[in-house]
Amino acid sequence: EVQLVESGGGLARPGRSLRLSCAASGFIFDDYALHWVRQGPGKGLEWVSGINWKSDKIVYADSVRGRFTISRDNAKNSLYLQMSNLKPEDTALYYCARSDGFIVEAGFFDHWGRGALVTVSS
Amino acid sequence: SYVLTQPPSVSVAPGKTATITCGGSNIESKSVHWYQQRPGQAPVVVISNDNDRPSGIPERFSGSNSGNTATLTISRVEAGDEADYFCHVWDTDSGHQSVFGTGTKVTVL
Repeated sequence: EVQLVESGGGLARPGRSLRLSCAASGFIFDDYALHWVRQGPGKGLEWVSGINWKSDKIVYADSVRGRFTISRDNAKNSLYLQMSNLKPEDTALYYCARSDGFIVEAGFFDHWGRGALVTVSS
Repeated sequence: SYVLTQPPSVSVAPGKTATITCGGSNIESKSVHWYQQRPGQAPVVVISNDNDRPSGIPERFSGSNSGNTATLTISRVEAGDEADYFCHVWDTDSGHQSVFGTGTKVTVL
């Protein structure tokens, strides 16, 4: 069974940093691209970033480019999101999601974690 | 940036058909995916690549894509279909961004 489990969420002050992790199991990790998708309180889904299987193709939403860094460790079956210079509008539930293939700029998200809550507030 | 527009809400009686639209410029040139999100749960894909149903999704769910509008159709609606629905595409024409629609709340009367 495919499982994606996010961790690392919490409360952060504006301008500070936070690192999210996503532990994967139940599939061959380096066969798939992975993504982060967030959902603000009472809002819709917003794609944040994606990374291909060998980390040589990375894409970001305009709203986070330059502040967030996505990475993965295939040896540890783990995905990460380093978030810097956090803003109140980054407050959201952050989902780890698996793409249906190894290409990052295509496809759909066929498995999702339960999310990690990030709150940015002074 | 590419924008996908959905109606905020759709109401439908049990047993009837719900139609959810997703408007975007020349959307027919893109592959459209649809997700169902029940309250407090993570999204689940119900239609991929315009009209493919993933394993486990009832045949009552179907999709189409033409011109500037993609459509998710739910036939013989059940109470369990009450959820938020989001369309999704990749905008590879400008900036290689993944884009979600604004979302539609389906209420079963």
